[in-house]
Amino acid sequence: DSGVTQTPKHLITATGQRVTLRCSPRSGDLSVYWYQQSLDQGLQFLIQYYNGEERAKGNILERFSAQQFPDLHSELNLSSLELGDSALYFCASSPVGGSEKLFFGSGTQLSVL
Amino acid sequence: DAKTTQPPSMDCAEGRAANLPCNHSTISGNEYVYWYRQIHSQGPQYIIHGLKNNETNEMASLIITEDRKSSTLILPHATLRDTAVYYCIVRPMNTNAGKSTFGDGTTLTVKP
Repeated sequence: DSGVTQTPKHLITATGQRVTLRCSPRSGDLSVYWYQQSLDQGLQFLIQYYNGEERAKGNILERFSAQQFPDLHSELNLSSLELGDSALYFCASSPVGGSEKLFFGSGTQLSVL
Repeated sequence: DAKTTQPPSMDCAEGRAANLPCNHSTISGNEYVYWYRQIHSQGPQYIIHGLKNNETNEMASLIITEDRKSSTLILPHATLRDTAVYYCIVRPMNTNAGKSTFGDGTTLTVKP
């Protein structure tokens, strides 16, 4: 158990819909990262937050957005969903905003039908 | 970020040492080598990291060549539960870990 909690574990929705994925980092970790992993693909970095502020952005679509709340949990919002958005979405946390080792959650499997 | 090259797949007999190579010939002096693994769509798990000295922890050993252009992750006594995709990542210590490019990794299959 990494200490990072992601909910829900599975999510099935239809094209055009909007969903919210939730992540609770390890106790004391200030940074949260979001990754997308499509079938048989590598981990694609989406975005990072540190203590409530956006720190780094990767290949995140404009239809996707995220935020980190004062209690440090984070939410990833995916809107106008397309079939190609079906993927595993991982959240990770680390103690500081630098290149510390990452602790990953178990992921949310999103299926867009 | 320095690019890493790993073989796409490897096999290892249970109980034997698994040696997973990684080439990072463009690594810079302030970049660390990190290893993670991902077991069947679970969240990736940190294994070990190092700068230039060899490192060992309860999971594995990391051997980095003197010129730092390549490294080897060693699982001393592989078990069936070590079957996973292993990722080698090169990152500067003072930048955001979130942009770590995981690449395709090596799929290690441990066989009975």
